[in-house]
Amino acid sequence: IVLTQSPGTLSLSPGERASLSCRASQTIGSSYFAWYQQKPGQAPRLLIYATSYRATGIPDRFSGRGSGTDFTLTISRLEPEDFAVYYCQQYTSSPLTFGGGTKVEIK
Amino acid sequence: QVQLVQSGAEVKKPGASVRVSCKASGYSFTGYYIHWVRQAPGQGLDWMGWINPTTGGTNSPQKFQGRVTMTRDTSIGTAYMELTSLTSDDTAVYYCLRGGQLVASSSFDSWGQGTLVRVCS
Repeated sequence: IVLTQSPGTLSLSPGERASLSCRASQTIGSSYFAWYQQKPGQAPRLLIYATSYRATGIPDRFSGRGSGTDFTLTISRLEPEDFAVYYCQQYTSSPLTFGGGTKVEIK
Repeated sequence: QVQLVQSGAEVKKPGASVRVSCKASGYSFTGYYIHWVRQAPGQGLDWMGWINPTTGGTNSPQKFQGRVTMTRDTSIGTAYMELTSLTSDDTAVYYCLRGGQLVASSSFDSWGQGTLVRVCS
C-alpha cells in the first residue's frame, strides 16, 4: 500500500493550525493507521495510533481522523516544539509502509 | 521504562555484512514483536521486517529477502539484524522498534536510538 503525504512542506507560524494529509492507494482499516513525529537527529515518536488515539504523553492539540483511503493529522495550535517532520504509517497489510513525510516549518 | 538500546555506528566496505544489536529493557522481551526500519540520509522510513521474540519467526518484505536475517537471544533480551552484500544504497540509520503485543502488524511505541551504517570503499 502506497501512502502519499501532502503537502511536502507546510510553512506556518506558532499558534496556527496545521492540517496534514495522508492518502492511501488502497483502503486501510481505521484500526491500522498511525502518525509519527521526527525531529532532526532523533528517532521518530509515535503520536497517533488506530487513526485517532493519542499515544502516551501526547498533548491533546494533536488529533487524528480519517477512514478508507484518506487520513488527516491536525495540530490545533502549533507550539515551537511541533516544527518537525511527520510520517503516516499503515499496518493493515504487509509490507508495512510509511508515507514520504510532511515537514512543518516555521514561516 | 521501556528502552531499546542499539549498538554503535559501523563503517563497512561494499560487499560486506553488518550486524546491529538491540537490547530491550523495561518490559517482557518475549511479549512484543521487534521490527526493524531504516532511514537513508534525508529520506523517509523503510520497513525491513519483524521478529517474533517468542518463536524466532520472522517476516520481511521481498526487497530484503535473502539479504536480511533477524535473530534474537531471549536470555539477554536482545534482537539482532544482519544485512549482507552491502552497497552504498544501504547507507542509512537503522532503527529497532517495539511492535505489537503478540501481533505482527502494529504501530511502534518505542524506538531505539538508531545505528548509522555507512558503506563506502
